[in-house]
Amino acid sequence: SQTIHQWPATLVQPVGSPLSLECTVEGTSNPNLYWYRQAAGRGLQLLFYSVGIGQISSEVPQNLSASRPQDRQFILSSKKLLLSDSGFYLCAWAGTGQEKLFFGSGTQLSVL
Amino acid sequence: DAKTTQPNSMESNEEEPVHLPCNHSTISGTDYIHWYRQLPSQGPEYVIHGLTSNVNNRMASLAIAEDRKSSTLILHRATLRDAAVYYCILRTGGGADGLTFGKGTHLIIQP
Repeated sequence: SQTIHQWPATLVQPVGSPLSLECTVEGTSNPNLYWYRQAAGRGLQLLFYSVGIGQISSEVPQNLSASRPQDRQFILSSKKLLLSDSGFYLCAWAGTGQEKLFFGSGTQLSVL
Repeated sequence: DAKTTQPNSMESNEEEPVHLPCNHSTISGTDYIHWYRQLPSQGPEYVIHGLTSNVNNRMASLAIAEDRKSSTLILHRATLRDAAVYYCILRTGGGADGLTFGKGTHLIIQP
């Protein structure tokens, strides 16, 4: 069966520090991968999605970047975190041509 | 993706059916109707989706209006574990882009 792993579960980082969040999927190949963010009290915002290795689509301009170095690995990064980067970050995957998205358990990021 | 409109919140009693409405008057012919729910501090969970016909699964039923401009998610017998934010989302079939989440309906279940 397919599983999605996302870590860490919680992270506290100072302003100006770098960020790297990793997401991996098991049990499937060539998935579509997604990064979402949910700021406190707000809705889910799609940040990036990828349909293959090295292929990244950005939905909103921001302080973050994404990379997909391997088929089932999706990384969210920042060189210098801002206070506004705080939020709940979620990774998700979907099979190619499939309608359902499956979400990870999320990372709660606090930038202080 | 076309826009959906849902009530901000609804309240129901445990062990009773719940009908969650969604309006999507600008839906296109290729848009699927998706429902997800999100429990506190968790990622969204797929509930059900459909195109034109009503759909049933172990979690819920989806009733789609004949003109497809509205739909209703039906929880047949609500439990306290069904308390969550429910999102109604339109997505073009076969697309790789992600789901666009709105504010959803906060469902409160009273014991």
